[in-house]
Amino acid sequence: DAGITQSPRHKVTETGTPVTLRCHQTENHRYMYWYRQDPGHGLRLIHYSYGVKDTDKGEVSDGYSVSRSKTEDFLLTLESATSSQTSVYFCAISRPGQGFDEQFFGPGTRLTVL
Amino acid sequence: SQQGEEDPQALSIQEGENATMNCSYKTSINNLQWYRQNSGRGLVHLILIRSNEREKHSGRLRVTLDTSKKSSSLLITASRAADTASYFCAAGANSKLTFGKGITLSVRP
Repeated sequence: DAGITQSPRHKVTETGTPVTLRCHQTENHRYMYWYRQDPGHGLRLIHYSYGVKDTDKGEVSDGYSVSRSKTEDFLLTLESATSSQTSVYFCAISRPGQGFDEQFFGPGTRLTVL
Repeated sequence: SQQGEEDPQALSIQEGENATMNCSYKTSINNLQWYRQNSGRGLVHLILIRSNEREKHSGRLRVTLDTSKKSSSLLITASRAADTASYFCAAGANSKLTFGKGITLSVRP
């Protein structure tokens, strides 16, 4: 599992409330990623980080923000959750090997916004 | 927009048969990767092929890459019921991956 944990694993919240999901890694990898997975869409990149305090937007970043104050933690925040953000969220880390970036995924967080 | 697109969307085969899954992508890549996802679980990396490679093997997996056609295929030989899962291709470039929508493979015992 590449030492990746996500918390919480399940969350139900109401529209308009803030939500923060946490991804924690134990291997000090530089690159970390947040994806969402929805039926019919596969995985889509929300935000990613290439170092402490270095983050960038992905394909579906609207409504999400991230922070990375320590190498091991990458936080995803929904400032005001909407029903369209009901999804399964996966964190991943990249293990560059000879310049090629295999990614390893956490177990996922199932978020339901009512 | 999705970079990788898999074909077919669903595949059902008998145990022991081979499964072939195809993927197309749109732009330049550094590598093309395949992942597997069992129901309710995270994705597991299967195999990576670099843009300057044409074919790669790993156990019962064989992946090909045709950069001129922007396509890749994954072959699973001698399939087992345990291979039942969703399979995703992912186009790798600039330290990011763009995933397709996935193929659901069912292997009947």
